[in-house]
Amino acid sequence: EVQLVESGGGLVQPGGSLRLSCEASGFTFSTYSINWVRQAPGKGLEWVAHISGTSRKIYYADSVKGRFTISRDNAKNSLSLQMNSLTADDTAVYYCARDREEGYLTPDYWGQGTLVTVSS
Amino acid sequence: DIQMTQSPSSLSASVGDRVTISCRASQNINSYLNWYQQKPGKAPKLLIYAASSLQSGVPSTFSGSGSGTDFTLTISSLQREDFATYFCQQSYIIPLTFGGGTKVEIK
Repeated sequence: EVQLVESGGGLVQPGGSLRLSCEASGFTFSTYSINWVRQAPGKGLEWVAHISGTSRKIYYADSVKGRFTISRDNAKNSLSLQMNSLTADDTAVYYCARDREEGYLTPDYWGQGTLVTVSS
Repeated sequence: DIQMTQSPSSLSASVGDRVTISCRASQNINSYLNWYQQKPGKAPKLLIYAASSLQSGVPSTFSGSGSGTDFTLTISSLQREDFATYFCQQSYIIPLTFGGGTKVEIK
């Protein structure tokens, strides 16, 4: 069974940093690209970042470019999102979501999400 | 970026009704269009990919159609468990973009 489990969310002050993790199981992690997608409270879905299976291709939304860093450790079946210079606009539930096929840009399995709240 | 526009933003329907939700892309995306269902407090669930392919395990009451810029999600006979919010998403190019969502409520 494919599973993605996020962790690392919490309350952080504006300007602060947070590192999210996503632990994967039930599939050959290294052969799938993964995305981070976020959802502000009561709002729609916003794509944040994408990383290919080999980490050779990495892309970011303009809203987080230069502040967020996506990375993966295929030996540990884990994905990370380092978030710096956080603002209130970054408050959201963050989901990691596997692409249906490598590079297919179609998230098929999603984690349960982890809430990040940026507030003083 | 490709803008995705869904309509309506909400609708009320009864169990057994046929429901259609529209999604329009700001440019041609061929058939690179996915549909998701999301229930409160839960992650989105992939229903339809590549405009019309049913994801494994999804009931056949769900179907998708369209290509180019105009797409439709149809629920042929609404069930109680289908009351949720539905999102379209283009998978044509990064950045991935989503429609604003359509909330399907009980009449």
